[in-house]
Amino acid sequence: QKEVEQDPGPLSVPEGAIVSLNCTYSNSAFQYFMWYRQYSRKGPELLMYTYSSGNKEDGRFTAQVDKSSKYISLFIRDSQPSDSATYLCAFGAGSYQLTFGKGTKLSVIP
Amino acid sequence: NAGVTQTPKFQVLKTGQSMTLQCAQDMNHEYMSWYRQDPGMGLRLIHYSVGAGITDQGEVPNGYNVSRSTTEDFPLRLLSAAPSQTSVYFCASTKDRPAGNEKLFFGSGTQLSVL
Repeated sequence: QKEVEQDPGPLSVPEGAIVSLNCTYSNSAFQYFMWYRQYSRKGPELLMYTYSSGNKEDGRFTAQVDKSSKYISLFIRDSQPSDSATYLCAFGAGSYQLTFGKGTKLSVIP
Repeated sequence: NAGVTQTPKFQVLKTGQSMTLQCAQDMNHEYMSWYRQDPGMGLRLIHYSVGAGITDQGEVPNGYNVSRSTTEDFPLRLLSAAPSQTSVYFCASTKDRPAGNEKLFFGSGTQLSVL
C-alpha cells in the first residue's frame, strides 16, 4: 500500500459546482494535514492546513480530516474558473520531510 | 519582496554534463529543500537543509549533490546528468520546519531536459 493515494483526475466541473478532492494515507504518524494549490507552470502554494480531525473552513474552501479512516478531503463551494489548478494533499509527521500526494488536476468550465 | 528565486527557468543538457541549479531566498529561512516533480509521481524530496552547513538526504538523492554555505543560498548540483533526471525542479523554504502553518514557500521551478 502506498503511503499516500490521490486520484490524479483530471476533474472537470461547471462553474458554480461543489468540488470534492480526496486523499487517503496509511502512515499513522502524520500529524499535519495540508492542501497546496499549484497553477500551471508555477510552484505550489499552501491553501489550507489542519492538525486535527474535523472540519476547517476558509471562505469557499473546507478541509476535512478523518484520522480514524485515514482520509482527508478538500471541498470547494461555488467553484470559479480561477480555481482551475492542480491540488496536492500533503502530510507531515513532525520531521523535516513532507509527503505529497500526486495531485489532482481540476478544471472549472465557465 | 523576492521570496524564493530559482535560476535558470529552463535548461537542456546532454547526458554526462554537469550543472548547478541555483536557489536563493531573502526571508531568512533556516530550512531549504529541493523537490523534483514528474508526471504521475508528484513532488519528491531530493535534499534538504536545516541551516548553514547542515544538509540531509530526502527520498531521491542519488545523482544530486548539495551544500549550504550561507542562509540565503542552496544550490543543487547534477554531477553527471542522465535522461532519468529530466524533470521540473522546485526549491522551497520555510522558517524552521515544514509543518502546518509553517508553510513551504516554493520557487517558480526549473524545467530540465537531459538528452
